[in-house]
Amino acid sequence: EIVMTQSPATLSVSPGERATLSCRASQTVGSNLAWYQQKPGQAPRLLIYGASTRATGIPARFSGSGSGTEFTLTISRLQSEDFAVYHCQQSNDWYTFGQGTKLEI
Amino acid sequence: QVQLVQSGSELKKPGASVKVSCKASGYTFTSYSMNWVRQAPGQGLEWMGWINTNTGNPTYAQGFTGRFVFSLDTSVSTAYLQISNLKAEDTAVYYCARSYGGDLDSWGQGTLVTVSS
Repeated sequence: EIVMTQSPATLSVSPGERATLSCRASQTVGSNLAWYQQKPGQAPRLLIYGASTRATGIPARFSGSGSGTEFTLTISRLQSEDFAVYHCQQSNDWYTFGQGTKLEI
Repeated sequence: QVQLVQSGSELKKPGASVKVSCKASGYTFTSYSMNWVRQAPGQGLEWMGWINTNTGNPTYAQGFTGRFVFSLDTSVSTAYLQISNLKAEDTAVYYCARSYGGDLDSWGQGTLVTVSS
């Protein structure tokens, strides 16, 4: 099973600043990596797929990069609605999720 | 628009069974696979497996064999998750999510299953 490790577990950032979240795979997943945002009491929402392609309706301040085993989600100019938990997920070998990064003010 | 609407919260005793439904609308049901994802309280997401909506063939992730069953009723565009012999550790929110390729692009609102005596 491919293990996905996200860091940090919690990230404290101020509104208007940039946030950088990391996700590492225990073995290569190519570009088969997605990012999801989850707010309290809500279902996850797809943000990024194919490591770097924004899903429909996702603002341009969200960007994804990386391939192989190292991936990054960057959120520029944080807005209040961006504070949430972010999950990465690989789909190269079935599906596995990271444990999540909580982005807090 | 695409919608996945799940059945409501359930409170069950240990040893009982539960069946969660996920009704799809706004797209051709058989054009996308349906996945099930578990989220225990305060924990991350766990992929439980998926079901091929064309063939009805289910695939279960490690740890979700035996007591977990995925099924379909394509006549009403609905997927089901049945869990038997419920245990306290099955207490979680269960999500259905469709996929085409690798990503889960639409999710149900989640169904809380609580197992308690």
